[in-house]
Amino acid sequence: GAGVSQSPSNKVTEKGKDVELRCDPISGHTALYWYRQSLGQGLEFLIYFQGNSAPDKSGLPSDRFSAERTGGSVSTLTIQRTQQEDSAVYLCASSPGPGDTDTQYFGPGTRLTVL
Amino acid sequence: GQQLNQSPQSMFIQEGEDVSMNCTSSSIFNTWLWYKQDPGEGPVLLIALYKAGELTSNGRLTAQFGITRKDSFLNISASIPSDVGIYFCAGQNSGGSNYKLTFGKGTLLTVNP
Repeated sequence: GAGVSQSPSNKVTEKGKDVELRCDPISGHTALYWYRQSLGQGLEFLIYFQGNSAPDKSGLPSDRFSAERTGGSVSTLTIQRTQQEDSAVYLCASSPGPGDTDTQYFGPGTRLTVL
Repeated sequence: GQQLNQSPQSMFIQEGEDVSMNCTSSSIFNTWLWYKQDPGEGPVLLIALYKAGELTSNGRLTAQFGITRKDSFLNISASIPSDVGIYFCAGQNSGGSNYKLTFGKGTLLTVNP
């Protein structure tokens, strides 16, 4: 079946502009995650959505970052007033939901470059 | 926060050789995961370990969950060119925030044919 999809695959923007990154999770998955991967680094947790519960935003690096998930499916990560240090690959993952073996499946990522 | 130390950072091996990489943590995890990432793709789960001391195989891959719960290793036997990629370990805890994965910085594997 279809996996996690993300768009755009690449985004180049100028410093100070806002960007929106989209994630379409696997159908039926109730949990959705955003991670950031900087060059040569592991993945850094940003935010987690589970069903209708309040999201865990504890990983968002600043108030310029926000995310929403509409209708329990598609999610959008928004970065306002982008800075050069925001350049990274932004990965989305989804999973079936809470449980002992709740495997996260990742999308291909959006490579963001801030000039 | 929790830190994962993954080593080595990179490896250059000949096709057919075995390779080993490991992760250590400053604190305990209840689950250890190993992912592989190909260029331009997201990480793909290779092996999941749920029990201290557990040894699990997936084809030519073998991974173990350390008894102390603070470490894990991944072995790849008889490497082939398609094994090239970045391998990440990740730790996960049960409980209220059991969804959060803490990742190592990755091991870049290059296989020379």
